Amino acid sequence: DTAVSQTPKYLVTQMGNDKSIKCEQNLGHDTMYWYKQDSKKFLKIMFSYNNKELIINETVPNRFSPKSPDKAHLNLHINSLELGDSAVYFCASSLQGRGYTFGSGTRLTVV
Amino acid sequence: AQSVTQLDSQVPVFEEAPVELRCNYSSSVSVYLFWYVQYPNQGLQLLLKYLSGSTLVESINGFEAEFNKSQTSFHLRKPSVHISDTAEYFCAVSYTGGGNKLTFGTGTQLKVEL
Repeated sequence: DTAVSQTPKYLVTQMGNDKSIKCEQNLGHDTMYWYKQDSKKFLKIMFSYNNKELIINETVPNRFSPKSPDKAHLNLHINSLELGDSAVYFCASSLQGRGYTFGSGTRLTVV
Repeated sequence: AQSVTQLDSQVPVFEEAPVELRCNYSSSVSVYLFWYVQYPNQGLQLLLKYLSGSTLVESINGFEAEFNKSQTSFHLRKPSVHISDTAEYFCAVSYTGGGNKLTFGTGTQLKVEL
């Protein structure tokens, strides 16, 4: 029954590693997003996909690469992880911007 | 470009007292407005939203917010808070011309004390 599910919930990894976070929504929404919440709880959009097409790509290092195999999935791959990448990453989906549903978040800790 | 300002980073209040969390936005086009709540170590939950119609919107747990176009505000209110309302509250805005991007304010920490 989970509307937006993302995995894993926690991710602890060493600097320099490559990791992926997966997201799936079963709401039939047309747009999916990745948001980053930093240590001060500020939420900032990273990427947005509408029907598998990238429509928003904020100023994010090239080490971050989103992939949307279909409308219901949006994954985030991060190369060469750095200490500053430590944050909580939220996946979200919406239908024409009229309502947004968020996943429970992935807490990434880079050591 | 749209932006959201939450003037208060922290709001301490005693239980059963009223509270108002302020939110102002800037946008040159029509917007949709949202309030989200985040409990400690949890995700974001939609509290209420304004899309169109009545400017006063209510949530199921006693919160309400009023869209004021002339003042570009969407303040959140509750007449009597409970300890369980302690959380971080985020105001957010989107408009269809921006790729449906949801822009958040910096959040207000509501701390309810006995």
